[in-house]
Amino acid sequence: NAGVTQTPKFQVLKTGQSMTLQCAQDMNHNSMYWYRQDPGMGLRLIYYSASEGTTDKGEVPNGYNVSRLNKREFSLRLESAAPSQTSVYFCASSGGGPRASQPQHFGDGTRLSIL
Amino acid sequence: AQSVTQLDSQVPVFEEAPVELRCNYSSSVSVYLFWYVQYPNQGLQLLLKYLSGSTLVESINGFEAEFNKSQTSFHLRKPSVHISDTAEYFCAVSEIGGFKTIFGAGTRLFVKA
Repeated sequence: NAGVTQTPKFQVLKTGQSMTLQCAQDMNHNSMYWYRQDPGMGLRLIYYSASEGTTDKGEVPNGYNVSRLNKREFSLRLESAAPSQTSVYFCASSGGGPRASQPQHFGDGTRLSIL
Repeated sequence: AQSVTQLDSQVPVFEEAPVELRCNYSSSVSVYLFWYVQYPNQGLQLLLKYLSGSTLVESINGFEAEFNKSQTSFHLRKPSVHISDTAEYFCAVSEIGGFKTIFGAGTRLFVKA
């Protein structure tokens, strides 16, 4: 039972480069999320997708774009990476009942460094 | 707007001692409350949650948390910790009827032999 799978696990980019972080879940969840985790700041929501075909901005969306490719997959794209985007990125999913009551299931993260 | 404050960034404790990790929240509406645990190089995992009913909720590995509405708190406790409890713990809040979950900044628990 894989749960939430993120690729890649590690990545080093140069300023200005672009890349896409991939996320897939096998729990048939409707909702998916992208967070970034920085020391002392907890998790901050970048974008979320309440259901297939919809996406919405979270707390810190600037510099990012997302695609909900289908029910299973939700990707995060950095168009022009900046050093301030160095972080650990987590994808999560939730489903199965009233939205706010459902816990989120997290992947193991992508550790991204931008030089 | 909702917010979550974890009052301690780090908590060192000796093995078999009791521990309390503090969490206070702010919200203008009713909320669901969660504690998540994160082990090194892993994602967050749900530890326990309060949705309704009894204000004391328990996890399968001996942690418990009590919802105190008047003090807007949801502190996490364990009467006797193990080395394996060393991890980072996150308190989280979701507004009933809403969608987003707000996470606290986290508390690092260090259990020493």
